[in-house]
Amino acid sequence: EPEVTQTPSHQVTQMGQEVILRCVPISNHLYFYWYRQILGQKVEFLVSFYNNEISEKSEIFDDQFSVERPDGSNFTLKIRSTKLEDSAMYFCASRGPTIGPQHFGDGTRLSIL
Amino acid sequence: AQKVTQAQTEISVVEKEDVTLDCVYETRDTTYYLFWYKQPPSGELVFLIRRNSFDEQNEISGRYSWNFQKSTSSFNFTITASQVVDSAVYFCALSEARDDKIIFGKGTRLHILP
Repeated sequence: EPEVTQTPSHQVTQMGQEVILRCVPISNHLYFYWYRQILGQKVEFLVSFYNNEISEKSEIFDDQFSVERPDGSNFTLKIRSTKLEDSAMYFCASRGPTIGPQHFGDGTRLSIL
Repeated sequence: AQKVTQAQTEISVVEKEDVTLDCVYETRDTTYYLFWYKQPPSGELVFLIRRNSFDEQNEISGRYSWNFQKSTSSFNFTITASQVVDSAVYFCALSEARDDKIIFGKGTRLHILP
């Protein structure tokens, strides 16, 4: 069964550095999402992306965050200048053209030192 | 506004007991979807079920069953004859048809004791 893949599984970065989290959605999917889960807390929506633009973003998704689909297969989340509070698990998800369920990747655990 | 409430923060039961995880949701939409996800200690989100708001039939899948009641805005999840491998955090979630972001509850941590 096709799946969403995320790399790396764990990223350690110094505070203030830029980080890019990568996702390869399922190949025929058109809608893409990022979610965040701070350790021990609930999963929170960050942003949705369709037709090469942001459809919706949450209050968490401030100017430090950006998303991109650079080459038709990858979907990336960039954090420009990381803060300690950006430490979390980041999940990518995608869904197909019809109203089907979102498929989640296994997540990238981001640790900011 | 959308909201999902899982009042049970943590539950412990002895193996083979049945356990029900509660979920109450709020939405203004008439068309919406409800979900349950399992998050084992390894951290990934495992999709368990999605129901749409027009389908109130209860569902059973092996030892898992779900009870959807629109009258009480609840979507409860029961594990029958629990096993140690069921130990995980379980999230109930909601998305509205008009903007399909998923709103998660805070989760219930389930401990199945041998």
